[in-house]
Amino acid sequence: NAGVTQTPKFRVLKTGQSMTLLCAQDMNHEYMYWYRQDPGMGLRLIHYSVGEGTTAKGEVPDGYNVSRLKKQNFLLGLESAAPSQTSVYFCASSRSTLRETQYFGPGTRLLVL
Amino acid sequence: KNEVEQSPQNLTAQEGEFITINCSYSVGISALHWLQQHPGGGIVSLFMLSSGKKKHGRLIATINIQEKHSSLHITASHPRDSAVYICAVRATTGTYKYIFGTGTRLKVLA
Repeated sequence: NAGVTQTPKFRVLKTGQSMTLLCAQDMNHEYMYWYRQDPGMGLRLIHYSVGEGTTAKGEVPDGYNVSRLKKQNFLLGLESAAPSQTSVYFCASSRSTLRETQYFGPGTRLLVL
Repeated sequence: KNEVEQSPQNLTAQEGEFITINCSYSVGISALHWLQQHPGGGIVSLFMLSSGKKKHGRLIATINIQEKHSSLHITASHPRDSAVYICAVRATTGTYKYIFGTGTRLKVLA
């Protein structure tokens, strides 16, 4: 039982390049989330999904797209990376949203030059 | 003013000391979470509270809904408790929103 996994762990991109971050969970959770963590700021929600085939915008969605084609996977895409997207990205999942515990992945460190 | 504020931002303690980390929030909530972020970056959920008090091992979390305040206590602190502790609330108003504090960085010295 791996919980929540993220790939890659670390990536360096040049401005304008694209990439996809993959999040996978094996707990059969309905809800999945993508956050970014920046120095001096709390985690901020980028996008989230309440079930397979659904996605919704969070607090800071600009510059990102997501897809949830399979219940266990939640993909975060950067179409044209910018230095402002240098951050640590965390994926999380939960059974439901209202009061449930979120389980976090190990994070992906992204550096955009 | 941030909707979730933690204090202190940084805390250094000697092994064995009793530690308190505070979280105040200004929005209506349905639940409050305490998370632990290890030096390597991984984040683990410690507690979820909607009222009262919870205890797990040497960790105790309390919440006062009327005062919009929660505390995380660590008894008999140990160097392995060194981590960043994050308070997060599930707001009841507006669109779906989890609001995270900026964290309290705790270092416990042997």
